[in-house]
Amino acid sequence: DAMVIQNPRYQVTQFGKPVTLSCSQTLNHNVMYWYQQKSSQAPKLLFHYYDKDFNNEADTPDNFQSRRPNTSFCFLDIRSPGLGDAAMYLCATSPGQAYSSYEQYFGPGTRLTVT
Amino acid sequence: SQELEQSPQSLIVQEGKNLTINCTSSKTLYGLYWYKQKYGEGLIFLMMLQKGGEEKSHEKITAKLDEKKQQSSLHITASQPSHAGIYLCGADITSGAGSYQLTFGKGTKLSVIP
Repeated sequence: DAMVIQNPRYQVTQFGKPVTLSCSQTLNHNVMYWYQQKSSQAPKLLFHYYDKDFNNEADTPDNFQSRRPNTSFCFLDIRSPGLGDAAMYLCATSPGQAYSSYEQYFGPGTRLTVT
Repeated sequence: SQELEQSPQSLIVQEGKNLTINCTSSKTLYGLYWYKQKYGEGLIFLMMLQKGGEEKSHEKITAKLDEKKQQSSLHITASQPSHAGIYLCGADITSGAGSYQLTFGKGTKLSVIP
């Protein structure tokens, strides 16, 4: 089945130690998104790619970076994780066709713990 | 302030009872999406509404869009324990030309008591 896969499901890292979360999709969708969701909060969009075009939200900290080497894969790099970065990180995809709105397909998420 | 407000924040119902969750936007809605999230997992797409007055149903879940009121409601009939989870609304509130960015509400946590 076509789907959005996130690895790992659970990640523990130390304060200040760089960490990378990965997302892959078999849907061949143009758009890939990274969201941060803290407990009882709305998912917060960090950035998204339309094909290779990177779009950063204005309030996304510089500590967060992303790479999309090809259509299928997208990575979230946290350069120096702080305690406040502990959260669920959700990857999503969307066909992203112009002048249409399409639902986003979400992966299961990666829960990041910072010690 | 939150651009999408959901009410109630949490809801506990007896199995078999009906319930309604509301999502109100502070901006014009160009598309409204309902998702369900189980604790610690990703979001599962339920329904998409795009036109004022539109109503969609899937099994025992019905969603309506009131474009003039910038509001959507999600109604569950004869709730079951399998309906338990967090329901989030997401909306395209960025432009009328069709956008692929969604803004989400904080969610409504539903518990169903057997």
